[in-house]
Amino acid sequence: NAGVTQTPKFRVLKTGQSMTLLCAQDMNHEYMYWYRQDPGMGLRLIHYSVGEGTTAKGEVPDGYNVSRLKKQNFLLGLESAAPSQTSVYFCASSPVGSSYEQYFGPGTRLTVT
Amino acid sequence: EDKVVQSPLSLVVHEGDTVTLNCSYEVTNFRSLLWYKQEKKAPTFLFMLTSSGIEKKSGRLSSILDKKELFSILNITATQTGDSAVYLCAVEQGGSEKLVFGKGTKLTVNP
Repeated sequence: NAGVTQTPKFRVLKTGQSMTLLCAQDMNHEYMYWYRQDPGMGLRLIHYSVGEGTTAKGEVPDGYNVSRLKKQNFLLGLESAAPSQTSVYFCASSPVGSSYEQYFGPGTRLTVT
Repeated sequence: EDKVVQSPLSLVVHEGDTVTLNCSYEVTNFRSLLWYKQEKKAPTFLFMLTSSGIEKKSGRLSSILDKKELFSILNITATQTGDSAVYLCAVEQGGSEKLVFGKGTKLTVNP
């Protein structure tokens, strides 16, 4: 099992460009999450999903959109990147009813210039 | 507003020292408190605490929860350079599919 994988690992964007980050999990987990981590800020939840076809906003959703068309994939989109979105993005997944049991991907380092 | 506060934010010690990391919380419908260790990449799970006063131990690491005073501590004894990491505290709320994370404590252990 690969666990949780994220694509790409690194990306540099110019202000105003768009991109999609892909998260995939092979553990048949129902719940999936996108976090961002900035220096000294811990992990902040952007959006999450409790099942295929459902998404919900987290703590810092502005400027991001998500889709969960397949159970194993959770996509995070930036329509018009801003320098404030420079961060490390982590995806996580967990079994239904077990949000404490989150398995994290390796992260994507995004720089917006 | 739900919040999780960790202290100190950073800590530098020498190998062999004992450290105590703190996590206090104010959340509605508390279910469990979790500790994670984050080195270069993704956080890795350390402990889950649900009951007051019951210590969880794993080698040199231990943790305890006080649900009356709303805090938890993570102890690391005989620290090693490999303990250098950011330690994250998170709280799970009943009826929620989310975790609320603190900002983390950055621990540096010098040889």
